[in-house]
Amino acid sequence: SAVISQKPSRDICQRGTSLTIQCQVDSQVTMMFWYRQQPGQSLTLIATANQGSEATYESGFVIDKFPISRPNLTFSTLTVSNMSPEDSSIYLCSVVTRQVRNTEAFFGQGTRLTVV
Amino acid sequence: QKEVEQDPGPLSVPEGAIVSLNCTYSNSAFQYFMWYRQYSRKGPELLMYTYSSGNKEDGRFTAQVDKSSKYISLFIRDSQPSDSATYLCAMSLDLNKFYFGSGTKLNVKP
Repeated sequence: SAVISQKPSRDICQRGTSLTIQCQVDSQVTMMFWYRQQPGQSLTLIATANQGSEATYESGFVIDKFPISRPNLTFSTLTVSNMSPEDSSIYLCSVVTRQVRNTEAFFGQGTRLTVV
Repeated sequence: QKEVEQDPGPLSVPEGAIVSLNCTYSNSAFQYFMWYRQYSRKGPELLMYTYSSGNKEDGRFTAQVDKSSKYISLFIRDSQPSDSATYLCAMSLDLNKFYFGSGTKLNVKP
């Protein structure tokens, strides 16, 4: 299994500012994922962060708005830039571990962001 | 059309009831099917994982996949108040990208 520490757990931010969310994993993983979970909605993949290369963004998400860093195999950050109230959501990082008999996706506790 | 459809509920049942949670999907290429449980203010945690069609049982939980109907189910037997949470289905073609349902909120009343 993988243990993911994500911080901050919550924040209230002013419109127009930026927030960087950190994700630390207790083991080395190739791929880390960032999701957004809006109230009453499913998890939406923002981007896939690979160590040593640029993140791959899903349709509707761009690097200027959600820059991602992946400096090593256990850590990643997601920045929500120039925030607006529409960015209020829960942001989750996730990793996938592949074992011989099983593959699991693990999630951090999430960062609950409120933009005012 | 969404890739994955899930009834948002809420679903309220008495303790001890059998709970049935369901998702439908549109992409017949999905091979991996998962159920996650998410407690309030927590991240999702994996409950069940199934590859391709068939049933899988783990304690009080049974996951079923019917690929011909593009329909998956999670059954909870002898439901407990501690089962009260939001249940998310998820599926994937290759475990590189996951598609999630919107989640069903379950409340088990003592």
